[in-house]
Amino acid sequence: EVQLLESGGGLVQPGGSLRLSCAASGFTFSSYAMSWVRQAPGKGLEWVSAISGSGGSTYYADSVKGRFTISRDNSKNTLYLQMNSLRAEDTAVYYCAKGFRYCSGGSWYGACSAFDIWGQGTMVTVSS
Amino acid sequence: DIQMTQSPSSLSASVGDRVTITCRASQSISSYLNWYQQKPGKAPKLLIYAASSLQSGVPSRFSGSGSGTDFTLTISSLQPEDFATYYCQQSYSTFRAFGQGTRLEIK
Repeated sequence: EVQLLESGGGLVQPGGSLRLSCAASGFTFSSYAMSWVRQAPGKGLEWVSAISGSGGSTYYADSVKGRFTISRDNSKNTLYLQMNSLRAEDTAVYYCAKGFRYCSGGSWYGACSAFDIWGQGTMVTVSS
Repeated sequence: DIQMTQSPSSLSASVGDRVTITCRASQSISSYLNWYQQKPGKAPKLLIYAASSLQSGVPSRFSGSGSGTDFTLTISSLQPEDFATYYCQQSYSTFRAFGQGTRLEIK
């Protein structure tokens, strides 16, 4: 069974740091781009960051650029999100999501893609 | 950045109704539009990709259409399990923007 399981969330003070993990199983992890998507309490979905299958290329939303770092360890089938300089507005459930490419060829982050598998999410609360 | 706007923000309907949700992009995104369903306390689920392609395992009562800037998600005959929040998402640009969501409630 294809599965993603996030961990690492919790309560952190403003300005603090946290590292989220996402353990993948049931598919060839290194073959797929992965993303983080967050959802503030009672709000909609916000894409945060993406990483290529090899880990060599990354993208970030402007709201987290310079503060968050996405990475992966393909030997451990695990995706990470290192979050520094946390703010109250970073409070959210953080989901990891597997990239689904429905066309062949092109860039790893090409337009013909969606998120086909999601984890259950991990809650991050930034508060003093 | 491309902005995605859904309408309506909420909708009340009855089991058996035909329902349509609209998503508009702030610029042309060709057919690079995906739809997700999210139930309370659960992760989103991919329903439709490439504007009109049904994801494997999704019931055929769900359908999508559109291209350019205007898209629709249609549920042909609402079932009790369809009451949820629906999000569109564009994959045309690097920032994978989502719409604000449409909450589908039981009338």
